[in-house]
Amino acid sequence: QKEVEQNSGPLSVPEGAIASLNCTYSDRGSQSFFWYRQYSGKSPELIMSIYSNGDKEDGRFTAQLNKASQYVSLLIRDSQPSDSATYLCAARNQAGTALIFGKGTTLSVSS
Amino acid sequence: NAGVTQTPKFRILKIGQSMTLQCTQDMNHNYMYWYRQDPGMGLKLIYYSVGAGITDKGEVPNGYNVSRSTTEDFPLRLELAAPSQTSVYFCASSSENEQFFGPGTRLTVL
Repeated sequence: QKEVEQNSGPLSVPEGAIASLNCTYSDRGSQSFFWYRQYSGKSPELIMSIYSNGDKEDGRFTAQLNKASQYVSLLIRDSQPSDSATYLCAARNQAGTALIFGKGTTLSVSS
Repeated sequence: NAGVTQTPKFRILKIGQSMTLQCTQDMNHNYMYWYRQDPGMGLKLIYYSVGAGITDKGEVPNGYNVSRSTTEDFPLRLELAAPSQTSVYFCASSSENEQFFGPGTRLTVL
């Protein structure tokens, strides 16, 4: 059973700090990775995708991928209370047909 | 574009009843998916489709059926509702990589 593991949290950071969210995956054949944000009672919203080793930056968000260590992370700079949500990490399976989701990390940003 | 739409938003079923959850996308995506999400849990894949006329089972298909007669529509059928099917159901679609989700259907089976 291929899995994606995340620390469920909650992760609490003060406003303006950097939030660091981490994820590991078991399928070495996975090539594509995604971070989704999910507010309570809402559907997941795609915020970052990453396909190559290294860093990918988009505004206040940076995704990091290390395929050798099977590790994906998401950094949120200058965290805002509006960033408080559950963050889901997902890896595309080797067949390319579906995403495998972690259970999510709950982030709380206090003002 | 409306993206991915789902109906109904909420539904309460009695044990043994049947219903169809509707999902439509207007992005001309080939891939469509049905997930369920239980409290505190991640998303579990029920069924997926790689194109019209093609469907396949995901991780938790028991108790559900799907069809994909058109690119746009991917309905999920519950034949004999059970309390274990109480959950939030999300439909999603994608082209090659990024999946986009509908707003979800909250289903309660009593």
